[in-house]
Amino acid sequence: ELKVEQNPLFLSMQEGKNYTIYCNYSTTSDRLYWYRQDPGKSLESLFVLLSNGAVKQEGRLMASLDTKARLSTLHITAAVHDLSATYFCAVDNPLRGGADGLTFGKGTHLIIQP
Amino acid sequence: NAGVMQNPRHLVRRRGQEARLRCSPMKGHSHVYWYRQLPEEGLKFMVYLQKENIIDESGMPKERFSAEFPKEGPSILRIQQVVRGDSAAYFCATRDTLTNEKLFFGSGTQLSVL
Repeated sequence: ELKVEQNPLFLSMQEGKNYTIYCNYSTTSDRLYWYRQDPGKSLESLFVLLSNGAVKQEGRLMASLDTKARLSTLHITAAVHDLSATYFCAVDNPLRGGADGLTFGKGTHLIIQP
Repeated sequence: NAGVMQNPRHLVRRRGQEARLRCSPMKGHSHVYWYRQLPEEGLKFMVYLQKENIIDESGMPKERFSAEFPKEGPSILRIQQVVRGDSAAYFCATRDTLTNEKLFFGSGTQLSVL
């Protein structure tokens, strides 16, 4: 069974600071996704990482993937209040070729305070 | 393209009633996934369907839950004789091909069982 673990699960930080969210998964995977969810809302796709060493950046967020370590990171640079949300990582199940959709981590609840 | 449409957004049912949740995929998308999200949790896979076929229902509870994706019309997730533990947010996600990494989520249906 594919397992996805995120840490930390809760994070409170000040504006202007940097921080990293970690996502570990238990077996090899084809694809790793990062999503953002605001309270009561659906999931917004942030990044899809497809290969070892992949790095993608959008604004103050940067995601990377190390398939050998089965680890992805989501780095936040100079945080601003608008980035407060819950962030999920998710992976495809390689044994099923993505047929059963994604396996999600529990999410990281990020609060950025002025 | 209107995106993935789910309705209703909110559904209130009393214990023992039936709940029907609808998901209309994006145009051209024939792969539909249903997920359930409990408070403070990540999304859990329930079922994967293609037109008129259930491909994988390994995440569906054995009783009371069923899903369909008819040739015409939306995909339906049906919960019979609802119980309080069924209260959750239910999301559907769709993609055009199995190998396409782009998975689009609907806005979800929040089911509350009284």
